[in-house]
Amino acid sequence: GAVVSQHPSRVICKSGTSVKIECRSLDFQATTMFWYRQFPKKSLMLMATSNEGSKATYEQGVEKDKFLINHASLTLSTLTVTSAHPEDSSFYICSADGTSGNDEQFFGPGTRLTVL
Amino acid sequence: KQEVTQIPAALSVPEGENLVLNCSFTDSAIYNLQWFRQDPGKGLTSLLLIQSSQREQTSGRLNASLDKSSGRSTLYIAASQPGDSATYLCAGRGGSNYKLTFGKGTLLTVNP
Repeated sequence: GAVVSQHPSRVICKSGTSVKIECRSLDFQATTMFWYRQFPKKSLMLMATSNEGSKATYEQGVEKDKFLINHASLTLSTLTVTSAHPEDSSFYICSADGTSGNDEQFFGPGTRLTVL
Repeated sequence: KQEVTQIPAALSVPEGENLVLNCSFTDSAIYNLQWFRQDPGKGLTSLLLIQSSQREQTSGRLNASLDKSSGRSTLYIAASQPGDSATYLCAGRGGSNYKLTFGKGTLLTVNP
């Protein structure tokens, strides 16, 4: 099946630091990956669509300079939260479309970010 | 703009009961609808995917239906087990940017 991994699973950092989260497709190539953010008891909100070899497409209201996305290879996309602040604390999840041609989306295990 | 609503927000049932989770969407121009399971603090596990041309999909004790004309989907769970306890999310895919739009989920608790 299509397996997506994320690293780290949990990170705690001080306010003002930058944090990088990796999303990997383990057994397939993903030209497109997606980054979501989930607040407690809320639905997932799409932040951006990450395209291999080109710039990410950000959803309205998401600061591209705050949330840097790099998709340098067909199996890796990274999300960097720059100058993190406590309000950036959240659960970040990435996903990718599988390769069966039916557009089923597979999700990583998520990264819990806590900014002190 | 697509909006997805899930009812009920929470459901508690005794083990062995059959149950139905509901999902409604405002824009019927969806390409597919996907049901997911999320355990606390974890990512999403894909349960069933229904293409816009399909009416239902089945996997084990799970059956999902799709009625585009009424903007509704249901997830039927037969003979529920305590291990089914989780949050169930539905998401419709469509729109000009072909993205998934999620509901807020139904928190299911199956009591032994």
